[in-house]
Amino acid sequence: NAGVTQTPKFRVLKTGQSMTLLCAQDMNHEYMYWYRQDPGMGLRLIHYSVGEGTTAKGEVPDGYNVSRLKKQNFLLGLESAAPSQTSVYFCASRTGGSYNEQFFGPGTRLTVL
Amino acid sequence: EDKVVQSPLSLVVHEGDTVTLNCSYEVTNFRSLLWYKQEKKAPTFLFMLTSSGIEKKSGRLSSILDKKELSSILNITATQTGDSAIYLCAVVWGTSYGKLTFGQGTILTVHP
Repeated sequence: NAGVTQTPKFRVLKTGQSMTLLCAQDMNHEYMYWYRQDPGMGLRLIHYSVGEGTTAKGEVPDGYNVSRLKKQNFLLGLESAAPSQTSVYFCASRTGGSYNEQFFGPGTRLTVL
Repeated sequence: EDKVVQSPLSLVVHEGDTVTLNCSYEVTNFRSLLWYKQEKKAPTFLFMLTSSGIEKKSGRLSSILDKKELSSILNITATQTGDSAIYLCAVVWGTSYGKLTFGQGTILTVHP
């Protein structure tokens, strides 16, 4: 049982480049989330999904797109990277309902030059 | 605006001290509150508090939910250097989809 995995672990981009971060979970969870973490800001929700084929905006969605074509995968895309998107990105998943903990992936450290 | 606020933002103590971390929230349709510990990587789950489970304890850590004051505290007794971490509070709220909002976190440093 791998839990929640993220690919890649590190990435450096130049301004304007695009990339996709992959999150995969093998726990058959319904809900999946993408967060970014910046110093002093806690975790801020970018987008989330409550099931295959559905996505919704979180607190800071601008500049990001997501897709959930398969239940086990949640992709986060940056179409035109900006230095302000330099951050650590965490993916998380959990079962449906309100009373279940989230399980986090190990994170992806992204630097945009 | 729905929000979750933690205090203090940082705390420095010595081994053996007792610390209390605070989390307050203003959300619509509160459902549950979670505490996480984050060391160098991903957050790890500590406790979940709900309307039917307002107090939790595990070893030296304990947490209480005050529904009237819309807040929670996390207590750590007899602190150890291994307790040094960021402690995150998160609130599940809203529709049954369970939107989750995190506070800024409290950075705890325990010196030997």
